[in-house]
Amino acid sequence: DAKTTQPPSMDCAEGRAANLPCNHSTISGNEYVYWYRQIHSQGPQYIIHGLKNNETNEMASLIITEDRKSSTLILPHATLRDTAVYYCIVRVRGATNKLIFGTGTLLAVQP
Amino acid sequence: NAGVTQTPKFRVLKTGQSMTLLCAQDMNHEYMYWYRQDPGMGLRLIHYSVGEGTTAKGEVPDGYNVSRLKKQNFLLGLESAAPSQTSVYFCASSYQGANQPQHFGDGTRLSIL
Repeated sequence: DAKTTQPPSMDCAEGRAANLPCNHSTISGNEYVYWYRQIHSQGPQYIIHGLKNNETNEMASLIITEDRKSSTLILPHATLRDTAVYYCIVRVRGATNKLIFGTGTLLAVQP
Repeated sequence: NAGVTQTPKFRVLKTGQSMTLLCAQDMNHEYMYWYRQDPGMGLRLIHYSVGEGTTAKGEVPDGYNVSRLKKQNFLLGLESAAPSQTSVYFCASSYQGANQPQHFGDGTRLSIL
C-alpha cells in the first residue's frame, strides 16, 4: 500500500487559494488518490479523488503530477470554515474501499 | 436523510465493563467500517463489513467484536473495556465497488476509567 507524506501544518490567508501538497512516490498504477478533511470534533468529510487526470468539484481541485508521485489539493478561496486537518490517502487495493489515514496537514485559515 | 448516525455520542465506562456502539446508515450502503482515533493520530481501521452477515478485521481489531445482522446497522462491541480503548470511535459507510467515497458519522467519545 502506497504511503503518503504531508506537511504537518500550513497557514493560509482568508480569501486566498490554499495549496496542500502530498507525496506518494510508491503509488501503483491503479491506485487512486483521495482527499478527506476533518473539522475539529467532527467525522472526516470526503473532498475529492482522482487517478491521473486533474479533477475539480464544488469543493476543490486535485492536481496529480504526470508521474503520479505527488498531488496538490487546491481550495480556491479559503474561508475560516476550511480550517481543518486534511488527509491525503492512497486507497488500499481490493474491493473493500479501505482507507489508511496518516496524520494529515492542519490547515489554519487566518482572517 | 440522516446519513450515518452513531449512538451514543459520549460514554464513560469503568474498566472491565462491556458496551455496544451502534452505527446506523440510511443510504443503502453495502460496506461499513469502524475506526478509532487517538489524540494527534489519524483514524485506524478496527473492523469492517462488506455486506450483511459478513465482517472482517482491520488494523487494530484486538479487544473488539462486531456484528452486521442488518444491512443498515453495524455494531461495535467491547466485551471487557480497558483504559487503552479510550478513544473517539467513528463509523463510516460506502457503496460497493471500487473508489466509492466513505461517509462518516460524527463519532462516539468513549472514556474508560
